[in-house]
Amino acid sequence: KQEVTQIPAALSVPEGENLVLNCSFTDSAIYNLQWFRQDPGKGLTSLLLIQSSQREQTSGRLNASLDKSSGRSTLYIAASQPGDSATYLCAATTGANNLFFGTGTRLTVIP
Amino acid sequence: DVKVTQSSRYLVKRTGEKVFLECVQDMDHENMFWYRQDPGLGLRLIYFSYDVKMKEKGDIPEGYSVSREKKERFSLILESASTNQTSMYLCASSFGTRIETQYFGPGTRLLVL
Repeated sequence: KQEVTQIPAALSVPEGENLVLNCSFTDSAIYNLQWFRQDPGKGLTSLLLIQSSQREQTSGRLNASLDKSSGRSTLYIAASQPGDSATYLCAATTGANNLFFGTGTRLTVIP
Repeated sequence: DVKVTQSSRYLVKRTGEKVFLECVQDMDHENMFWYRQDPGLGLRLIYFSYDVKMKEKGDIPEGYSVSREKKERFSLILESASTNQTSMYLCASSFGTRIETQYFGPGTRLLVL
């Protein structure tokens, strides 16, 4: 069964800093890897989806990379802002369109 | 924009009650999903459905059932609510291929007393 791990569980950075969030998965036979954002008490918003044949995806200040062979993905956030404060979840899609989620990294950007 | 709505943001129920959580999506998505989210455990899949009247068990189906009578609506049913079903419940939907992202609703926070 796919297991997804996110380290660290929480991260605090000063505004303007670049940062990297890490995600690892045990089964490399994935269809895609997604990064989501979740604000407190809210649902999930999809940020980036990387197909298994791709190495990275970019959206604005966000860049996600995927290395299937090593079972790792990273989410890079450039020039962080207080509005980036949220929990970031990664999820690997395997089998019958099932998402396996990590437990998330709670990011706080300090003004 | 894809919209996934859930019938309630907050619910408080008593042990033993039958509970219905409703989810509606407006993008004609084939797939719909129910997850629960608990601190330290992340999101776990309860049930999903590929089409009307179809249902498949996820990782933690015990104590739950689902109903999909119409394509746009997917209901989660707690036949007899228990305190260990206190959780945040999230519904999602997606198009019918594996490469598509899932779109999530705002969640229902259920408290069972």
